[in-house]
Amino acid sequence: SYVLTQPPSVSVAPGKTARITCGGNNIGSKSVHWYQQKPGQAPVLVIYYDSDRPSGIPERFSGSNSGNTATLTISRVEAGDEADYYCQVWDKFGGGTKLTVL
Amino acid sequence: EVQLVESGGGLVQPGGSLRLSCAASGFTFSSYWMSWVRQAPGKGLEWVANIKQDGSEKYYVDSVKGRFTISRDNAKNSLYLQMNSLRAEDTAVYYCASGGIAARPFDYWGQGTLVTVSS
Repeated sequence: SYVLTQPPSVSVAPGKTARITCGGNNIGSKSVHWYQQKPGQAPVLVIYYDSDRPSGIPERFSGSNSGNTATLTISRVEAGDEADYYCQVWDKFGGGTKLTVL
Repeated sequence: EVQLVESGGGLVQPGGSLRLSCAASGFTFSSYWMSWVRQAPGKGLEWVANIKQDGSEKYYVDSVKGRFTISRDNAKNSLYLQMNSLRAEDTAVYYCASGGIAARPFDYWGQGTLVTVSS
């Protein structure tokens, strides 16, 4: 079974850059998708196929994928970005990362 | 605007059954694989099942095989999940989502419906 590993938490100050990683064996050869989930809400797709952004998602959100690590990068972090973030490969999800804006 | 609206959740005793429904609108429902994804309280996301556009292919996570059945009615733009022999560990918010087959993302999600299995 394919395992995706995310850090449980990441903290960042407003205006700075947050990087959330998703580790998996040779994940760079697979397509990775990222979801944002705010408390009490459904997940929202923020990055798909490693680095594409759905319409309506700010350009501050970007993604990359290489080797054994995929990364979701959020630039110029805002208070409204505070949420749980999940990576997905095929039918597997990472355990989720709670982004805290200090 | 894409909308997915789940219903049918509630409190059920262990061993009981429940049928979830998902009403879709705002997109061509019959053209999409559809999925159910669940989230136990305070936990992460877990894919549960998916179904091909015409219903000819269905896949399940091992933990629900033989107990859950996914189905769809394209004429009614609706997705279903029949859940039998429910266990405490099935307690979760169940989300209906479009996509989620092979390498594809889950494009759109409903707001979820809570299933609680408890005596």
